[in-house]
Amino acid sequence: ETGVTQTPRHLVMGMTNKKSLKCEQHLGHNAMYWYKQSAKKPLELMFVYSLEERVENNSVPSRFSPECPNSSHLFLHLHTLQPEDSALYLCASSLNRGHEAFFGQGTRLTVV
Amino acid sequence: KQEVTQIPAALSVPEGENLVLNCSFTDSAIYNLQWFRQDPGKGLTSLLLIQSSQREQTSGRLNASLDKSSGRSTLYIAASQPGDSATYLCAASNDYKLSFGAGTTVTVRA
Repeated sequence: ETGVTQTPRHLVMGMTNKKSLKCEQHLGHNAMYWYKQSAKKPLELMFVYSLEERVENNSVPSRFSPECPNSSHLFLHLHTLQPEDSALYLCASSLNRGHEAFFGQGTRLTVV
Repeated sequence: KQEVTQIPAALSVPEGENLVLNCSFTDSAIYNLQWFRQDPGKGLTSLLLIQSSQREQTSGRLNASLDKSSGRSTLYIAASQPGDSATYLCAASNDYKLSFGAGTTVTVRA
């Protein structure tokens, strides 16, 4: 248990669906992150929020839309995804920049 | 742009042998270097974090060194056990961004 919880753990969605991934941290951290892990590729940073403000958007397509309503919760809204978006999506948090990062268990997303 | 490389990509050793995992990075202006473990289909578990001002960090059988000037870190795992079988990832921190290597997949044979 890392203190970072992601739901759902598995998600299958069609290309026309809209779904959301949820991340919650109980560590009192100020920064939260979304990462994408595709097969045979290193983890890719998608978004970073610090104190609920987006501080990094790593050229992610607009079909991925993040939301950070407070410092404990982070969402990733998904719409009109492509099969190549199938991957493990990981949420992480850290106290501040440059501090140790803690990861959730991930959501395994399959787009059909 | 920070580039992180891990060598070797895979490693298989008999139980009891010491493991040496290498990580190199191109931008030495890092906040820290973090080592993670990932089991198949699971999230990442933080193993060790070395601040940029430190040379090494130890936790139990794990020891990680950092040479910032040459852009290298090494993770040593002493007296390996079958439960150490996993993928090990290193990540270099620049500001808010963690840049990851592709990982070293370790198999410890009983």
